[in-house]
Amino acid sequence: AQSVTQLGSHVSVSEGALVLLRCNYSSSVPPYLFWYVQYPNQGLQLLLKYTTGATLVKGINGFEAEFKKSETSFHLTKPSAHMSDAAEYFCAVSENNYGQNFVFGPGTRLSVLP
Amino acid sequence: NAGVTQTPKFQVLKTGQSMTLQCAQDMNHNSMYWYRQDPGMGLRLIYYSASEGTTDKGEVPNGYNVSRLNKREFSLRLESAAPSQTSVYFCASDLQGNSNQPQHFGDGTRLSIL
Repeated sequence: AQSVTQLGSHVSVSEGALVLLRCNYSSSVPPYLFWYVQYPNQGLQLLLKYTTGATLVKGINGFEAEFKKSETSFHLTKPSAHMSDAAEYFCAVSENNYGQNFVFGPGTRLSVLP
Repeated sequence: NAGVTQTPKFQVLKTGQSMTLQCAQDMNHNSMYWYRQDPGMGLRLIYYSASEGTTDKGEVPNGYNVSRLNKREFSLRLESAAPSQTSVYFCASDLQGNSNQPQHFGDGTRLSIL
């Protein structure tokens, strides 16, 4: 069964600094990988996804993530943090199967300091 | 386009009471899901419905029942609420239950059991 770990339950960065949120996964088959963002009192919104093809994936709001098979990682980055990026971020993995195999990581709360 | 709509948004129950959480989607999605979100644990799948007329247990089904009323609606019932069921509940849907398509989430129901 697949699993997801996110290093750091809480990450703080200064406005304008690099954002790096870490995600590592385990999967017995080539995975499909997702990053979701959750703003306070809202549901999850898809930031980006990797299915096949190019390993560097660009998403909304200037975020991108790179699939590294050798490291079983899918870290999320943004060159310059904005105050509006403060939220909780979830990495998710799904195997080549149906949606009931979606597995979410525990989440990382991002704080952006002025 | 409303997407995934959950009602109610907030609810407080006493131990032993019952209630039904409602979810409806207007995206003509085949698959629907119920998750619970607890601090530090990400999202855990309670039940899912791969298609109209079918339901299956997820990771944490005990204490819950579901009904896929039609293609649009998927309800979650707590027959005898327990304090351990205090959580935020999210309904989600996706197009075909295919894992390379993202899930779309409602805004959640915040449930407290006293």
